Amino acid sequence: GNSVTQMEGPVTLSEEAFLTINCTYTATGYPSLFWYVQYPGEGLQLLLKATKADDKGSNKGFEATYRKETTSFHLEKGSVQVSDSAVYFCALSSYGQNFVFGPGTRLSVLP
Amino acid sequence: DTAVSQTPKYLVTQMGNDKSIKCEQNLGHDTMYWYKQDSKKFLKIMFSYNNKELIINETVPNRFSPKSPDKAHLNLHINSLELGDSAVYFCASSQVSYNEQFFGPGTRLTVL
Repeated sequence: GNSVTQMEGPVTLSEEAFLTINCTYTATGYPSLFWYVQYPGEGLQLLLKATKADDKGSNKGFEATYRKETTSFHLEKGSVQVSDSAVYFCALSSYGQNFVFGPGTRLSVLP
Repeated sequence: DTAVSQTPKYLVTQMGNDKSIKCEQNLGHDTMYWYKQDSKKFLKIMFSYNNKELIINETVPNRFSPKSPDKAHLNLHINSLELGDSAVYFCASSQVSYNEQFFGPGTRLTVL
């Protein structure tokens, strides 16, 4: 079945540092890929998505590129802020299958 | 204009009690879900439901039951609450099962 693997956290960075959170997946067919963010005490919000190979999703300075050859969808941001502190979930979906979420990666950004 | 709403936000109760969590979505979506998030933030899907089909995660105890009075609502009933049921429960919806999901703010359930 479909699955998602994320780098284990927590990840702790200083403000303005470069962020990468790795995500790899296993899926049949042609899945869509997503990054969700969960701020403390809140529900999950869609951060960005990509629906086909080589698509780049971007939002709020975050980017991720759908790499079919490496089955990856790594999340990047050039300069993180304290307000980016949250838990980040990689997820995939494909036709006829339920969403699959990764285990989440907690990011803490220190001032 | 909250897209997916849940009530209550916090629920504290004793072991053995029966409780319900309500969920409503105003997005016109066809599919709704319940997730359980444990203390390590791991998300586990419990149910997915549309107007045709209920899909139950086989690992969910039958003390948990979803009830949908209409397409915009999916409530979660829990009987005979146990300590291990303490978690945050999220409702979500999507247009179809493989489209992006929209989440509610969560209900933190504490069983004493």
